[in-house]
Amino acid sequence: GESVGLHLPTLSVQEGDNSIINCAYSNSASDYFIWYKQESGKGPQFIIDIRSNMDKRQGQRVTVLLNKTVKHLSLQIAATQPGDSAVYFCAENGRGTYKYIFGTGTRLKVLA
Amino acid sequence: SAVISQKPSRDICQRGTSLTIQCQVDSQVTMMFWYRQQPGQSLTLIATANQGSEATYESGFVIDKFPISRPNLTFSTLTVSNMSPEDSSIYLCSGSHNEQFFGPGTRLTVL
Repeated sequence: GESVGLHLPTLSVQEGDNSIINCAYSNSASDYFIWYKQESGKGPQFIIDIRSNMDKRQGQRVTVLLNKTVKHLSLQIAATQPGDSAVYFCAENGRGTYKYIFGTGTRLKVLA
Repeated sequence: SAVISQKPSRDICQRGTSLTIQCQVDSQVTMMFWYRQQPGQSLTLIATANQGSEATYESGFVIDKFPISRPNLTFSTLTVSNMSPEDSSIYLCSGSHNEQFFGPGTRLTVL
């Protein structure tokens, strides 16, 4: 498989438990944030997004929390499944720009 | 969201040669981008592919090394020129309307 995530921080979670993946973003002017999931050998896949006028957004089994005070973003995955094993990236987009800046990534490993 | 395909999916090339990677989107997109992802690392933006005009390159990337074309709203190419082993990486194409979505990547190995 791909070597994506080989040197990234790893979060190991028991199957069925909840996962929390954290991200510190860099630009206080960023107003749009996305979480991506990247499985081995594939491109990043959109999971969930949030705008800066919100502090929480929920999807199916996933929740994103945004704390603008400390420039922190988190992704919560409920009832983690083996299929959730992947590398997760946060990305930020500044107001008036079209470019996305990606975080360093976290490898999620789900233990059976 | 749209579907992006890339060709080739992987290649092994000799030092000093060039490789052109193709990116095809199944619908028109406003923006297209090219990223590099080195093993175990995050994504680094190479350039924004502009339709009908020269690409906009990020710091550290130049047109002579990474010429880019975007003849229409669904297609772009990235050429990695005069390759060296340091160019071994995954090259990802992405398109954007509201959200940004990615192709599967091209894994390049330079010997």
